[in-house]
Amino acid sequence: EAGVVQSPRYKIIEKKQPVAFWCNPISGHNTLYWYLQNLGQGPELLIRYENEEAVDDSQLPKDRFSAERLKGVDSTLKIQPAELGDSAVYLCASSLGGRLQETQYFGPGTRLLVL
Amino acid sequence: AQSVTQLDSHVSVSEGTPVLLRCNYSSSYSPSLFWYVQHPNKGLQLLLKYTSAATLVKGINGFEAEFKKSETSFHLTKPSAHMSDAAEYFCVVSDLKSSASKIIFGSGTRLSIRP
Repeated sequence: EAGVVQSPRYKIIEKKQPVAFWCNPISGHNTLYWYLQNLGQGPELLIRYENEEAVDDSQLPKDRFSAERLKGVDSTLKIQPAELGDSAVYLCASSLGGRLQETQYFGPGTRLLVL
Repeated sequence: AQSVTQLDSHVSVSEGTPVLLRCNYSSSYSPSLFWYVQHPNKGLQLLLKYTSAATLVKGINGFEAEFKKSETSFHLTKPSAHMSDAAEYFCVVSDLKSSASKIIFGSGTRLSIRP
């Protein structure tokens, strides 16, 4: 079974430029999560989708971050414009259902460096 | 509201000796507790989880954890460390019954194994 796929794996951009990350969850998983992981810290949830609906986006900085999950499968996370402080690893995860005790399966992450 | 504290940022043990990674949590309701492991350049992987069943939970690779409500702890143990156990470990908490439930990751414990 294929795992969660993320691309790109690495991205280097200059500040004020836009950037987008893509995630393909495990087939049949209805719930998709985007996390931000700063160096030396645990992941922080940005947004959680159940199918196409964003059920928790309370931690998403909506002035510069946006996300979408068209057709309830793939998802993209966008930052526009990027700031130096956005340098981090962006993780995508998926789970079969939306209950918070479900096991989450994580992708390898996208490492973003903003110069 | 939930919170989780991993008491050690770094633990170093000799190969073949026991491992103890400590985690304390705070939860208003019935917590779900998880341990995830993150190997370098790999995605986070579930080790084990507690969801209000048996308080002693067995996971993969010989790890286990015990839910102690009176101590609000969920420490991770393994009788004998192996070199391949070197990784970052995250304790995670979520509430099963809270309408404002979040998924909270600890800051992580880096486990080093000495030959």
